[in-house]
Amino acid sequence: KQEVTQIPAALSVPEGENLVLNCSFTDSAIYNLQWFRQDPGKGLTSLLLIQSSQREQTSGRLNASLDKSSGRSTLYIAASQPGDSATYLCAVSRYGGATNKLIFGTGTLLAVQP
Amino acid sequence: ETGVTQTPRHLVMGMTNKKSLKCEQHLGHNAMYWYKQSAKKPLELMFVYSLEERVENNSVPSRFSPECPNSSHLFLHLHTLQPEDSALYLCASSQDTQGWAGELFFGEGSRLTVL
Repeated sequence: KQEVTQIPAALSVPEGENLVLNCSFTDSAIYNLQWFRQDPGKGLTSLLLIQSSQREQTSGRLNASLDKSSGRSTLYIAASQPGDSATYLCAVSRYGGATNKLIFGTGTLLAVQP
Repeated sequence: ETGVTQTPRHLVMGMTNKKSLKCEQHLGHNAMYWYKQSAKKPLELMFVYSLEERVENNSVPSRFSPECPNSSHLFLHLHTLQPEDSALYLCASSQDTQGWAGELFFGEGSRLTVL
């Protein structure tokens, strides 16, 4: 059974700092891995999608890497800003079938202090 | 309107009520999903529809009944719920082709409180 773990559960950093969020999964047979952001009481916003054949994806100040063989992904946020404060969720797609059934971690709650 | 829209955003109901959550996607996607998010637990996949056909039901109690009348609309009918069913219910959609899972796009969620 696929399990997704995110470390740390919570993180507080001063504005401007570069930071790394970690995600690990137990079964390497995945289609893709997706990073999301969730603001309090809101839905999920997709940040980056990495297909299983890819090693990394970049969008602005965000860079996500994938090491499928070791079951790990990292989300790197450069020059953090108070507006980056949110919960960051990692999810892997379960292999097989015609639809994208994501298995989620419990998230990392990020607070960027001004 | 674009993206994935969920209504109502907030719902309070008694255990004997019947209510429905609605989801509409304007992205032209072919798959839709219901997820449940409870406090301090990972999001749980409840139902998956592909081309209006239910392809997954993750052991969800029968008091939750999904309906997908077309590829743009998804409903979750609620009946005789329990207080522990209080949660944020999230709808999502994706464009999937065989063997290639697409990116998921989520709505803002419906916050359900069962008294």
